[in-house]
Amino acid sequence: GENVEQHPSTLSVQEGDSAVIKCTYSDSASNYFPWYKQELGKRPQLIIDIRSNVGEKKDQRIAVTLNKTAKHFSLHITETQPEDSAVYFCAASQGNFNKFYFGSGTKLNVKP
Amino acid sequence: DTAVSQTPKYLVTQMGNDKSIKCEQNLGHDTMYWYKQDSKKFLKIMFSYNNKELIINETVPNRFSPKSPDKAHLNLHINSLELGDSAVYFCASSQGGRGTEAFFGQGTRLTVV
Repeated sequence: GENVEQHPSTLSVQEGDSAVIKCTYSDSASNYFPWYKQELGKRPQLIIDIRSNVGEKKDQRIAVTLNKTAKHFSLHITETQPEDSAVYFCAASQGNFNKFYFGSGTKLNVKP
Repeated sequence: DTAVSQTPKYLVTQMGNDKSIKCEQNLGHDTMYWYKQDSKKFLKIMFSYNNKELIINETVPNRFSPKSPDKAHLNLHINSLELGDSAVYFCASSQGGRGTEAFFGQGTRLTVV
C-alpha cells in the first residue's frame, strides 16, 4: 500500500517568514495530493490540492509543488500569519474510490 | 448547514462496553470513510464505503463494525472497548472518482476508562 512521509513534524517561524512542508509518497499510481489544515480541536479542512498532471498550483499565499519523478510534493506558505498556526497534513490518493493516505502531520507555529 | 455531521461529539465509556458513533452527510457524495486520529495526531484510514458497499478495511480489529444503511450514512459500532481505542474518530465523505476532496465531520472524541 501507499506510504506517505511528512517532514518536519514541527516548524516554528516568525510572522512574515515563509514555511515549507515536504512530503514523499511511495506508490507511483497516486494521482491526487491534497493538503489539509487542522486547527486545535477542529476537523481537517482542505486548503489546496494538486493533481498528477500539474507541477505547481498557487492560491494567494499558499502554493503546492509536485515532482512525480521523485515522488515528492511540498506546501509553501508565504508571509505567514499567526492564524496559520495549526497542524498541516499532506495526503496521497489513487484509484476510483479516493483511498486517502495521510502524512504524520506538521505542527506549524507562527510567532507574532 | 453542516455537510458531514457525526454524533456524539464526546463519548466517555468503560472498558468492555459497546458503543456506536453515527455519521451523516448531506453533500450527495457516494463514498464515506472512517478515520482514527490518535494522540500523536496521526490520521489513519479504517474503512471506506462506496454506495453502501465496503471498499476498504485497513486491518482494523473485528470489534469495529461499520454499517452503511444508505449512501448518506455510515455508522461505526465498537464492541468490547479497550483503553487503546481512545482516540478521535473522524467520518468523512467524498465523491467517488479520482481527485476529489474529502470533507470531514467534526470528530468524536472517544475516551475509554
